[in-house]
Amino acid sequence: QQQVKQSPQSLIVQKGGIPIINCAYENTAFDYFPWYQQFPGKGPALLIAIRPDVSEKKEGRFTISFNKSAKQFSLHIMDSQPGDSATYFCAASIGGYQKVTFGIGTKLQVIP
Amino acid sequence: DAGVTQSPTHLIKTRGQQVTLRCSPISGHKSVSWYQQVLGQGPQFIFQYYEKEERGRGNFPDRFSARQFPNYSSELNVNALLLGDSALYLCASSTTGFNQPQHFGDGTRLSIL
Repeated sequence: QQQVKQSPQSLIVQKGGIPIINCAYENTAFDYFPWYQQFPGKGPALLIAIRPDVSEKKEGRFTISFNKSAKQFSLHIMDSQPGDSATYFCAASIGGYQKVTFGIGTKLQVIP
Repeated sequence: DAGVTQSPTHLIKTRGQQVTLRCSPISGHKSVSWYQQVLGQGPQFIFQYYEKEERGRGNFPDRFSARQFPNYSSELNVNALLLGDSALYLCASSTTGFNQPQHFGDGTRLSIL
């Protein structure tokens, strides 16, 4: 049972483009929604996170949009760069940062 | 500052064997969690330990066990290995059990032949 559904599984954009990754969840008990970035051979690194009482959060070039009624959230990467090429995971948890449920991941490639 | 360190980085085992994976958390971190990441999938939660006590367990069989030592390092043990146990095993640590973000190590790549 996939509790956090993520799409697309792969994405190719040109430098400067705005890749968008979408996620949906079913468990309304989830109250913390982080995004992780993973480079090949490395562990996931926390990128940005949001709680359901906030509709949007920006950190640098990364923006999370959150729609609580639709149980959906998305990541936008503004002015994407080749260095952003990585796999991105949306995730969710209950009661904090632990016991995180991850999506399947989106492999992003930013071409020069 | 040293990050989360895991050993070994790579390991090859055969079906039916047992394996022990090790994790040293960031200095000062008392919570350690283990995740399994199968190729092409997101990490899946296995265990969380905080102050040497198990605080959470994911949907994994009893072949999987873990423990945390007084210095907060941790071991993950898997018995009777199956081909499906081939994965990247990730360890994550945080300062407290619940309200601080996790920092992941780079994992142990386990291959079962």
